[in-house]
Amino acid sequence: DIVMTQSPDSLAVSLGERATINCKSSQSVLHSSNRKSYLAWYQQKPGQPPKLLISWASIRESGVPDRFSGSGSGTDFTLTISSLQAEDVAVYYCQQYYSVLTFGQGTKLEIK
Amino acid sequence: EVQLVESGGGLVKPGESLRLSCEASGFTFSDVWMNWVRQAPGKGLEWVGRIRSKTDGGTTDYAAPVKGRFIISRDDSKNTLYLHMNSLQTEDTAVYFCTGFYIRGRGTLVTVSS
Repeated sequence: DIVMTQSPDSLAVSLGERATINCKSSQSVLHSSNRKSYLAWYQQKPGQPPKLLISWASIRESGVPDRFSGSGSGTDFTLTISSLQAEDVAVYYCQQYYSVLTFGQGTKLEIK
Repeated sequence: EVQLVESGGGLVKPGESLRLSCEASGFTFSDVWMNWVRQAPGKGLEWVGRIRSKTDGGTTDYAAPVKGRFIISRDDSKNTLYLHMNSLQTEDTAVYFCTGFYIRGRGTLVTVSS
């Protein structure tokens, strides 16, 4: 199975500042047939299910604020929140769907 | 709009069985490989198993912790996915989500406790 490793495990950022979360896969999740990376990002707040933010590494879901962006290809990916808001406090997960679904361990984002 | 609605969770004792259901809408269910994913309290997300579409054989794969105890099935006429859980253990306590590629539902809570 593909192992997904996120860094850091936790992150404290000031309001209005940039937050960056990294995700690395143990093998490429870029499909040669369509040149798409099979990588998603989720946000999970306490007591709620995960909310899909980003699919195909960089495609924002409808209704997701544009301060959230995804980048990367192959094995290295990044979720960036350009200007942190209080409501962004959550745990963030990456997930690959290139093969059997696997998830990163999560990154806890807090306000500094 | 894609919707996945899980149901059937509850409190059971170790060794007992439970069947979860997932009703799907907003996409061609029969074409999609479906998965179950779970999240134990305070923990991360764990893949449980998957079932291929009938056209791809309808076969199943399972994670090691549940292999031999859990069975995934599907009824494409009802757009419904099932998870039959046998010999439940306390470690199976979790919220269970059905997914295609992505988690979109609220999940259903299974608690295994004596």
